[in-house]
Amino acid sequence: GAGVSQTPSNKVTEKGKYVELRCDPISGHTALYWYRQSLGQGPEFLIYFQGTGAADDSGLPNDRFFAVRPEGSVSTLKIQRTERGDSAVYLCASSLNSGRTGELFFGEGSRLTVL
Amino acid sequence: AQSVSQHNHHVILSEAASLELGCNYSYGGTVNLFWYVQYPGQHLQLLLKYFSGDPLVKGIKGFEAEFIKSKFSFNLRKPSVQWSDTAEYFCAVISGANNLFFGTGTRLTVIP
Repeated sequence: GAGVSQTPSNKVTEKGKYVELRCDPISGHTALYWYRQSLGQGPEFLIYFQGTGAADDSGLPNDRFFAVRPEGSVSTLKIQRTERGDSAVYLCASSLNSGRTGELFFGEGSRLTVL
Repeated sequence: AQSVSQHNHHVILSEAASLELGCNYSYGGTVNLFWYVQYPGQHLQLLLKYFSGDPLVKGIKGFEAEFIKSKFSFNLRKPSVQWSDTAEYFCAVISGANNLFFGTGTRLTVIP
């Protein structure tokens, strides 16, 4: 597709379960970002990939959160032992080079609800 | 630590009124500044950006923003708003590392 694609668009899970959220960036974009947006807040940075490697994971809130991008394209955000506080919209964005010099293109987001 | 402040949480205007949304950031080094917009039911998209040069930058749909380094500000303006400008507006900054930090956003409601 032409834009950033995120699946699922909605995910409802129970506390303690494991969740995977997928991001398919724009073809050719080397930079990929994950953000989390809670109600009434701006997007909160989680992790940034340049190619296959995580260039900056300083935004991951704790070790229950992990993200991979094994082939430098699709990325998966993994959340273990989910908690109610993890409920939010998880946004993925990609950029042709680094975000510093270019525009970030955002997906529609994956809304996670932890019951 | 760097931060981005948007002091207006919700702004309500009538059509044709002028708009100014405040944005202040805290970081002493070189910054790249952005305004993103999220229309109802849509994804975030770039409105305009400042990297260097003329501190007055123009974006899409008649929006502009002015970078005032001495005030650490990057306020968004539009001389005459339209109903279709109803959206949430986010100021963002990149400095040092290549990650984009967002403010908490300002919801703009334009009344026809």
